[in-house]
This record gives sequence, C-alpha cells and structure tokens, in this order.
Amino acid sequence: AQSVTQPDIHITVSEGASLELRCNYSYGATPYLFWYVQSPGQGLQLLLKYFSGDTLVQGIKGFEAEFKRSQSSFNLRKPSVHWSDAAEYFCAVGTTSGTYKYIFGTGTRLKVLA
Amino acid sequence: GAGVSQSPSNKVTEKGKDVELRCDPISGHTALYWYRQRLGQGLEFLIYFQGNSAPDKSGLPSDRFSAERTGESVSTLTIQRTQQEDSAVYLCASSPPGKKTYEQYFGPGTRLTVT
Repeated sequence: AQSVTQPDIHITVSEGASLELRCNYSYGATPYLFWYVQSPGQGLQLLLKYFSGDTLVQGIKGFEAEFKRSQSSFNLRKPSVHWSDAAEYFCAVGTTSGTYKYIFGTGTRLKVLA
Repeated sequence: GAGVSQSPSNKVTEKGKDVELRCDPISGHTALYWYRQRLGQGLEFLIYFQGNSAPDKSGLPSDRFSAERTGESVSTLTIQRTQQEDSAVYLCASSPPGKKTYEQYFGPGTRLTVT
C-alpha cells in the first residue's frame, strides 16, 4: 500500500543549528515528492518538490531535500535554523498513476530554542 | 493574486446538525481537493475534483459526507448529522492545469467544532 512515514513526531533544535527531518515513502512507481510547512493558524505552504532529474532540490526559506531511491527517502534539511522556522512539516507523495492525489505523512512538529 | 479562500474560518455546531463548508479555488485551477486534519494528525484525503470528470470520492469517511463543485469554481463540502468525531480542520486545495498540476495550493482551512 502507498504510504508516507515521518518517524519523528517532535523535533527540538537550537536556533542556528542544522536540521534534518526524515521522510520515508512506500510507492510502487517513481513518486512525485513534496514538503509542506504549516505555521500555527495558517494553511499549508509548499516548500519544495521533486518530480525528476537532480535528486537534490532547493526550496524556499533556505530548505533543501534529497531524494534517495535506494532508501525510499526524501529528507528535508536546513543548514541553520531560524526561530521563525518553528512549525509543522509535512512530507507528501503525489501518486502518478490512476486518480492523482497526495498521500501525506503525519507531520513533524519543529520547536526552535532561542 | 488571490489564493484559495475558505469560509467560514470557524464553525461551531451542535451534534446532529448539518454543516456546509465552502472553498473558492484560485481562478483557472482545474483540480480541487478536500482534506480533513484532526488535531495532532496529518492530512486525510477526502475528495478530488478534476475539471468535468467524475470526482474521486474514495476518501469520504461515510455517507454523511458529500461534496459538490460547480464547473471549475466553488466547491461545498456538506456534513450531515454531524458527530463529535467530525471535529477537525477541513482544508481545501486547488491545482493548476498542465505541468504544474501536481502543485497544490492550500486554503487556510475551516475549523469545525461539534459540541
């Protein structure tokens, strides 16, 4: 079955520290992969996406993610976290066969310490 | 330009009442999605509209849930005989046609509380 796993429910980092949020997926074909961020009281904002080509993708707000087919992973990274990055982050797979839709992970809530 | 809008932003209703939630997608976006987000959980797909094709209703949790869309315009999600477990944030998203059809743009959501 198609699924997305975000193993870390909560992560706490200090401001200025590096960040990596994990995402693993299960999907039979080549997936389309996305990371979204949801700030308190806000809708979801697209951070970055992977469709094909270069496996390291750059997004907004200084985020990047790397697609690793062998590990079925699409981890999100940022070299230096800012206090404003505190939010919930969702990884999603876009199905590429049949009716198109997203499958979301359960999210990782990021807390940033000053 | 204007993003996806949803109304109301908050809705409190009594158990057993019907509610209607509205979504205005971005103009020109052919695809529209509804999701449910329960407290502390991820997004749960409910229904997907694409142009004039038959909607994908595979995510609707029960027959109390239904949704309509007028052409490529407004959509309404209706929940009949609301139950407390329906309390959640209901998110709407739309996608443009063509190469960017896989990018979803989300509205701010409607927070539904069933008392």
